[in-house]
Amino acid sequence: EAGVAQSPRYKIIEKRQSVAFWCNPISGHATLYWYQQILGQGPKLLIQFQNNGVVDDSQLPKDRFSAERLKGVDSTLKIQPAKLEDSAVYLCASSFWGAGADTQYFGPGTRLTVL
Amino acid sequence: ILNVEQSPQSLHVQEGDSTNFTCSFPSSNFYALHWYRWETAKSPEALFVMTLNGDEKKKGRISATLNTKEGYSYLYIKGSQPEDSATYLCAFMTNTGNQFYFGTGTSLTVIP
Repeated sequence: EAGVAQSPRYKIIEKRQSVAFWCNPISGHATLYWYQQILGQGPKLLIQFQNNGVVDDSQLPKDRFSAERLKGVDSTLKIQPAKLEDSAVYLCASSFWGAGADTQYFGPGTRLTVL
Repeated sequence: ILNVEQSPQSLHVQEGDSTNFTCSFPSSNFYALHWYRWETAKSPEALFVMTLNGDEKKKGRISATLNTKEGYSYLYIKGSQPEDSATYLCAFMTNTGNQFYFGTGTSLTVIP
């Protein structure tokens, strides 16, 4: 079974530029998550989708971050414009139903550096 | 935002040593506790999901216990090997929402 795919793996941009990340979850998984992990901290949930609807985006900085999951499969996360504090690893994960005891399967992440 | 704490922050052990780490979480509104292993440049890998007080799970040389009444979980590694070197993350979910609250992780280095 193929795992969660993410691209790119690494990205370096200057502040005020835009960047987009892509995620392809495990086939059949209804729930997709985007996390931000800043160095020295645990991953923080940015947004959770159930199929193509948003379940939770309470910690997504909506003035600069946006995410979509068209057709309930792939997802993109965009930052526009980027700030220095956005430097982090962005992890995508998927799970079958999204229930609390469901295992979340993670992609390898995208390491973003904002200069 | 709930506070999930892991200790120690980092750990260096010799190959063959046994070790353990702690994950502390709020004891109220407990729903599930997950453990993940995250090796450098790889995807975080799920180790255990625990939901019941007193749960004990085992996978090879790694095991975990859960105490929901006092709000902690222990992860044990018996006879550490260099390939166990990774960051071990716990994640707590409440019964009042769908969100995971991750700890900051314990970084384990096993010295050959």
